[in-house]
Amino acid sequence: DAGITQSPRHKVTETGTPVTLRCHQTENHRYMYWYRQDPGHGLRLIHYSYGVKDTDKGEVSDGYSVSRSKTEDFLLTLESATSSQTSVYFCATRQNTEAFFGQGTRLTVV
Amino acid sequence: KNEVEQSPQNLTAQEGEFITINCSYSVGISALHWLQQHPGGGIVSLFMLSSGKKKHGRLIATINIQEKHSSLHITASHPRDSAVYICAVSASNTGNQFYFGTGTSLTVIP
Repeated sequence: DAGITQSPRHKVTETGTPVTLRCHQTENHRYMYWYRQDPGHGLRLIHYSYGVKDTDKGEVSDGYSVSRSKTEDFLLTLESATSSQTSVYFCATRQNTEAFFGQGTRLTVV
Repeated sequence: KNEVEQSPQNLTAQEGEFITINCSYSVGISALHWLQQHPGGGIVSLFMLSSGKKKHGRLIATINIQEKHSSLHITASHPRDSAVYICAVSASNTGNQFYFGTGTSLTVIP
């Protein structure tokens, strides 16, 4: 699966605290994505990157920021976590039209 | 608006039954993906197809580009097939976006 590693796998945090999720890939794929998965919704795009330092917003980007300083790492930051950001977060990469997914990070904001 | 629609949302089958999950999409695509997610697990790509039919073991995926429709079939279903099956498309117009269905939750009873 393109050697995608997400960290942490599980996190519980308090409302108002900053949180950073990491996605690391070993296959040198250009495109990387952060999605959130919630009951009743398909995976929804938060942000994506099309190269180092090149990122763009997805449909649910409010409250999230991203950074990509190296090809292999794509960071998702919640500047001030809210309970509505409790979700499972998936990182994905793309090679041509093929998609590869990480194992997911379960984030709970209490 | 939902670019990808799946049916049914939930499906319960007896072990050994033939199962069909349907996916319709409304955007131009470069490829369609069938993904599998076991409870609490990561997302695994089962198939990527842009035309015709693919088979892997007991799983068969078909796509009709003209009708913008795909089906995932499971022959001789088994309890280990119990999972959420997600249809996703690589959109051809945006060049880099994926759109996801909300998933079909399959339970196979022994």
